[in-house]
Amino acid sequence: DIQMTQSPSTLSASVGDRVTITCRASQSISRWLAWYQQKPGKAPKLLIYKASTLESGVPSRFSGSGSGTEFTLTISSLQPDDFATYYCQHYMTYSYTFGQGTKLELK
Amino acid sequence: EVQLVQSGAEVKKPGESLKISCKGSEYTFSNYWIGWVRQMPGKGLEWMGMIYPGDSDTTYSPSFQGQVTISADKAISTAYLQWSSLKASDTAMYYCARQTECSGSSCYFGYWGLGTLVTVSS
Repeated sequence: DIQMTQSPSTLSASVGDRVTITCRASQSISRWLAWYQQKPGKAPKLLIYKASTLESGVPSRFSGSGSGTEFTLTISSLQPDDFATYYCQHYMTYSYTFGQGTKLELK
Repeated sequence: EVQLVQSGAEVKKPGESLKISCKGSEYTFSNYWIGWVRQMPGKGLEWMGMIYPGDSDTTYSPSFQGQVTISADKAISTAYLQWSSLKASDTAMYYCARQTECSGSSCYFGYWGLGTLVTVSS
């Protein structure tokens, strides 16, 4: 099974900050990576797929990059609605795995 | 608009069986993979497996193989997740999700149900 490791586990930031979350795969997954946002008591929401393609309706302050084993999610200017937990997920060859999550909290 | 409506919360005892459901609407149910995701209390997301309702092709994450059964009834546009003998450690929120798009065996999931909370306690 491919393992996904996110860092950091918790990130403290302020409104307006630029933040980056990293996701590393235990082997190459090409660009088969998605990013999700989850708020307490809610279902996950797809933000980005194929490493860098923004899902329809997702604000452009979110961006993704990377390929192979290293990926990043960047939020260019944090808004109050962005404080949530973020997960990466690889989706290569039917055996998909999530990272452990990064909780983005208000500093 | 694609909708996934999950069955209601369940409270069960250890050893009991359970089948929860996920009904899709506003799309051709047979043509899209449905996946299941576990979230234990206060923990992260775990991919359990998925099914293609058109031919019932099913894949499981190694961690869940043999622990649960994923099935679907395309006649009523419903996917299922079932346990034959629940454990306390099965207490979790369970989400179903529908693929948005696949490239071969690589599918991402953009449509999610609201979740079914399963509580297993004696």
